[in-house]
Amino acid sequence: GESVGLHLPTLSVQEGDNSIINCAYSNSASDYFIWYKQESGKGPQFIIDIRSNMDKRQGQRVTVLLNKTVKHLSLQIAATQPGDSAVYFCAENILLYIFGTGTRLKVLA
Amino acid sequence: EPEVTQTPSHQVTQMGQEVILRCVPISNHLYFYWYRQILGQKVEFLVSFYNNEISEKSEIFDDQFSVERPDGSNFTLKIRSTKLEDSAMYFCASSEGTPNSGNTIYFGEGSWLTVV
Repeated sequence: GESVGLHLPTLSVQEGDNSIINCAYSNSASDYFIWYKQESGKGPQFIIDIRSNMDKRQGQRVTVLLNKTVKHLSLQIAATQPGDSAVYFCAENILLYIFGTGTRLKVLA
Repeated sequence: EPEVTQTPSHQVTQMGQEVILRCVPISNHLYFYWYRQILGQKVEFLVSFYNNEISEKSEIFDDQFSVERPDGSNFTLKIRSTKLEDSAMYFCASSEGTPNSGNTIYFGEGSWLTVV
């Protein structure tokens, strides 16, 4: 079936290190992808998006990579900070109404 | 930066009572949504709304729920005869166009509903 899934439920990184959060999608018709960040008790917050005609997109300290061949999406956070601690969801525009469990990023001091 | 605003931030209600959660979507957005997140669980889609009517709804959105756009700025979710299991964070969201057209859905901060 179709799904928006994440490889790891929890990721712990040292402050200052880079973080990589992965996501698999299965709908080859998806052509737009978004990463959301959800801090405890708050709503999902848009981080970065990418369209299927791109392989990479960079924001401020964040980079999203898209590999359409293997239907894989990743979010890279450079120099991870304590404020990055949150749950991260990926979403694809075919399934933007459905979120996976997410990956919890824990930043260790 | 434009944002989706929700009121109240937290509401406690007696079981069986009716609750109305209010939202002001981003002003130039045309699509509106309600999502629910039970504590510790994933975000779940409830309903999407466009052109003054429901465009999609999930299995969760049964006759107990209704949505309305009473004026040009507000978008409400009404929950009738609340049950304990309705306790959750309810998120309103909006987008300029449809997600299928590559439009981002922006979320509010949520309304935390506690049914006692």
